[in-house]
Amino acid sequence: DSGVTQTPKHLITATGQRVTLRCSPRSGDLSVYWYQQSLDQGLQFLIQYYNGEERAKGNILERFSAQQFPDLHSELNLSSLELGDSALYFCASSVGGLAEYNEQFFGPGTRLTVL
Amino acid sequence: EDKVVQSPLSLVVHEGDTVTLNCSYEVTNFRSLLWYKQEKKAPTFLFMLTSSGIEKKSGRLSSILDKKELFSILNITATQTGDSAIYLCAPKGNNNDMRFGAGTRLTVKP
Repeated sequence: DSGVTQTPKHLITATGQRVTLRCSPRSGDLSVYWYQQSLDQGLQFLIQYYNGEERAKGNILERFSAQQFPDLHSELNLSSLELGDSALYFCASSVGGLAEYNEQFFGPGTRLTVL
Repeated sequence: EDKVVQSPLSLVVHEGDTVTLNCSYEVTNFRSLLWYKQEKKAPTFLFMLTSSGIEKKSGRLSSILDKKELFSILNITATQTGDSAIYLCAPKGNNNDMRFGAGTRLTVKP
């Protein structure tokens, strides 16, 4: 158990809908990272927040947005869902804000299925 | 453009064998390289490498980085069925993207 929690575990929804994924980092960690893992794309970095501010951005679609709240939990919002958004979404956390020098601890993931 | 290539893509061995997994990379302003193990769930951290030529060890696993030739290897000795997983490497530069390799799927048969 990494100490990172994600809810829900599974989510099934329809195309065009909007969902919110939630992540609570390990106690003391200030950075939260979001990743998407699909069968054909592997593990793709989406976005990083550090102490409430956006720190780094990867291949995140405009339909997706995220934020980190004062209590350091983070939410990833996915809107206008398409079939291709079906994937496992991981959240990870680290103590510091520099991803290159900080080990990331991954949560168990949220499996999103878009029908 | 940053690039990460892991090889082999898939490997099947028997318990007790030694395996070497490769990760070659092209990353702007390289800072570090991380190795992760992913079984059925989330990736778990194995090693972080920042300096060339210094081997990091954890039990039967070890890893080394060559910053001149731009690659890293992960060795697993005396493999066990519990080592079956996908092994991911992730080099990191100072840009804002983090790129994972496609992974090596290791299967260890009894």
